[in-house]
Amino acid sequence: DQQVKQNSPSLSVQEGRISILNCDYTNSMFDYFLWYKKYPAEGPTFLISISSIKDKNEDGRFTVFLNKSAKHLSLHIVPSQPGDSAVYFCAAFSGNTGKLIFGQGTTLQVKP
Amino acid sequence: GAGVSQSPSNKVTEKGKDVELRCDPISGHTALYWYRQSLGQGLEFLIYFQGNSAPDKSGLPSDRFSAERTGGSVSTLTIQRTQQEDSAVYLCASSLGGQGLSGNTIYFGEGSWLTVV
Repeated sequence: DQQVKQNSPSLSVQEGRISILNCDYTNSMFDYFLWYKKYPAEGPTFLISISSIKDKNEDGRFTVFLNKSAKHLSLHIVPSQPGDSAVYFCAAFSGNTGKLIFGQGTTLQVKP
Repeated sequence: GAGVSQSPSNKVTEKGKDVELRCDPISGHTALYWYRQSLGQGLEFLIYFQGNSAPDKSGLPSDRFSAERTGGSVSTLTIQRTQQEDSAVYLCASSLGGQGLSGNTIYFGEGSWLTVV
């Protein structure tokens, strides 16, 4: 039972263009949604989050959009840079359980 | 240290042997999580400790897997009679608390890379 899904295993974009990473979830009780970035041989690092009562959160080049009715969130990176090349994990957090459930990850490649 | 520390960073073991993976969370963090990432897979929840509450073990894949957290700090993940499918990166994370957490104060360690041959 995959509660958090990232259906695109990989994405390739040109430097300077927009990267859009998508994530779907099934449980309407999640309180927060987060994006993590992971480089090879390193642990994931937090990128940006959004509360379930918001529909948008922006931090520099990164914006997360939440569509609760569709149970869908997306991460926009603009402009994309080669250093953004990494695996991006979407995660959903439930305050009731304390669990953080991750999607499968999307590998982003930004080409110079 | 300042971050979540895991050891060993790399472990190669023979099939059937037991392994122990250690996690030192950030001092003062009451919540501790174990995840694993197998090749080509996403991060899979294993177990969650919160203070003195009974741990949430719902993610442990089989009874060969167990975890303890002694004194509310250091945690050990034990895998008995390892199998090749146990090969993965085992990640530990800690946070100040579970209830009402925004999520962005969860800190991950670098992981323990387990290879079962």
